[in-house]
Amino acid sequence: GQNIDQPTEMTATEGAIVQINCTYQTSGFNGLFWYQQHAGEAPTFLSYNVLDGLEEKGRFSSFLSRSKGYSYLLLKELQMKDSASYLCAVMDSNYQLIWGAGTKLIIKP
Amino acid sequence: GAVVSQHPSRVICKSGTSVKIECRSLDFQATTMFWYRQFPKQSLMLMATSNEGSKATYEQGVEKDKFLINHASLTLSTLTVTSAHPEDSSFYICSARVGGDTEAFFGQGTRLTVV
Repeated sequence: GQNIDQPTEMTATEGAIVQINCTYQTSGFNGLFWYQQHAGEAPTFLSYNVLDGLEEKGRFSSFLSRSKGYSYLLLKELQMKDSASYLCAVMDSNYQLIWGAGTKLIIKP
Repeated sequence: GAVVSQHPSRVICKSGTSVKIECRSLDFQATTMFWYRQFPKQSLMLMATSNEGSKATYEQGVEKDKFLINHASLTLSTLTVTSAHPEDSSFYICSARVGGDTEAFFGQGTRLTVV
């Protein structure tokens, strides 16, 4: 079956760095997405990886290894507003989005 | 976890016809449902937000007369693409939420192709 795994919850300190991992097993691969979602709001797009390597965008970076079925989202210089859930999603060969359950990130002062 | 079922997963229709997409929350009551559209290799774009029993709130640039949303019950929302055209071909995904402070759960998406 198709499966996306990411930790349920993580805690980090303001100003620090945190890495959220995502592993996947899907029928084909057409890209991996990371979304941020604040409680009670719609998710917002963070990144898209389809080739191996690191994509950097400001304080956020996303890494992909297709051979390992692995991705991570790296958040630097954490701010309190980064407290949110982070969703990993993979588009399979049928262009269906397979979603992870999300990682709730708690930032402490 | 909460399950949101979206059907159909794929649909091909002729230009000028209408297509209805259903989004059901299977094990919870969804007070709010979101409808997204996603073009290949692009982000999800929020189309509208609907609350049970009230009219949907459409995002800027989304034609409300073309994309009809009905959220008549706490477990079902429908999106009807009226008079579909090839440019409407896209990936449509719904998500459902309980209350105001909980996360939204997503359907599997619908791949619409208009020929």
